[in-house]
Amino acid sequence: EDQVTQSPEALRLQEGESSSLNCSYTVSGLRGLFWYRQDPGKGPEFLFTLYSAGEEKEKERLKATLTKKESFLHITAPKPEDSATYLCAVLLWGGSEKLVFGKGTKLTVNP
Amino acid sequence: KAGVTQTPRYLIKTRGQQVTLSCSPISGHRSVSWYQQTPGQGLQFLFEYFSETQRNKGNFPGRFSGRQFSNSRSEMNVSTLELGDSALYLCASRPSTSGSYNEQFFGPGTRLTVL
Repeated sequence: EDQVTQSPEALRLQEGESSSLNCSYTVSGLRGLFWYRQDPGKGPEFLFTLYSAGEEKEKERLKATLTKKESFLHITAPKPEDSATYLCAVLLWGGSEKLVFGKGTKLTVNP
Repeated sequence: KAGVTQTPRYLIKTRGQQVTLSCSPISGHRSVSWYQQTPGQGLQFLFEYFSETQRNKGNFPGRFSGRQFSNSRSEMNVSTLELGDSALYLCASRPSTSGSYNEQFFGPGTRLTVL
């Protein structure tokens, strides 16, 4: 069965304390891996797409990387406004195209 | 450009009732997908509609159904509500069904509580 697992479930950081979120997947055929940010009371907001192992994408303090079995979302010198739940999702090959989401990592950045 | 809108934002129903949720996609977007989000299961795909046809369906019982109108607006219906249907229901739209997940935008969701 296709699975996406995110760790940790929750992470508390001090402002400026860099860290990484993990998204591991066991899927039959990966077409792409997506990272989203979700704020309370809102729908997920698209951040990055990664398509092949070794690929990296950056946006402000966030950097996403991809290997054959997992992806990392690195947060450098986070600020309180980076507090949110970060979701990863995989898009699978095959007849049924759909996104399979992990359960997310809730990030809290304290000032 | 207006974003994806969902109505109502909050809904309280009792077991056994049915409910209809509405989603208006971004102008020009023809694909609409529905997701259920719960603390225990996370975000799960319900179904996708394109040009008034269901293209794809997740692993949910037949009590969950949907439709899409010619203006791309979509509705989802849940019949015979159960306590476990309490969730945030999210709608997402994208221009077409060929890739374009980078251009998929989510609405704010409808929070359904079943008592």
